[in-house]
Amino acid sequence: AQKITQTQPGMFVQEKEAVTLDCTYDTSDQSYGLFWYKQPSSGEMIFLIYQGSYDEQNATEGRYSLNFQKARKSANLVISASQLGDSAMYFCAMREVYGGATNKLIFGTGTLLAVQP
Amino acid sequence: GAGVSQSPRYKVAKRGQDVALRCDPISGHVSLFWYQQALGQGPEFLTYFQNEAQLDKSGLPSDRFFAERPEGSVSTLKIQRTQQEDSAVYLCASTSQNRGNGYTFGSGTRLTVV
Repeated sequence: AQKITQTQPGMFVQEKEAVTLDCTYDTSDQSYGLFWYKQPSSGEMIFLIYQGSYDEQNATEGRYSLNFQKARKSANLVISASQLGDSAMYFCAMREVYGGATNKLIFGTGTLLAVQP
Repeated sequence: GAGVSQSPRYKVAKRGQDVALRCDPISGHVSLFWYQQALGQGPEFLTYFQNEAQLDKSGLPSDRFFAERPEGSVSTLKIQRTQQEDSAVYLCASTSQNRGNGYTFGSGTRLTVV
């Protein structure tokens, strides 16, 4: 069965510093996609970054980058130059890609990030 | 619309009451998902529609939960005889690509059963 593990319930980071949020996954599929979402206190899920299992380069989106280590089945999110507005819950998610399937997302339990001034 | 719209934003129900939660996806989005997010947890899959067809309802926790999308656009998640354990945020997401990475989530409906 597919599973996402986020072992950090909470993290602190100083404003302007970088922070890494951990994510490991388990799947028997060769083709899959990995996502990171941000969920502020208002509740909406905001898409941050996506990595396909066959992508050779790590994904980057502005201050977000994904440290993808396929052999270790890890997909850590790196946020550079943290801002106060980055304080939120962060979820790692996986989607398996195969013909005719639901392509639902499987989420981890999340990491609550607090950025300190 | 510009985004996925969910209503109501908050719902308080007495135990045993029936509730209906609405999701209005992005216009033209073929795929629609419902998720349940308990307090302090990640979202968990409930059900999936492709147009009006409900292709996967494996995540619905009991037969008290029912979802429909009769015209392939707006979807309704209905919970009958609500129980306290149904208290959660119910999130709806839509995407135009069955295999794409473009999932757009709504802000959710927070259901509290008292």
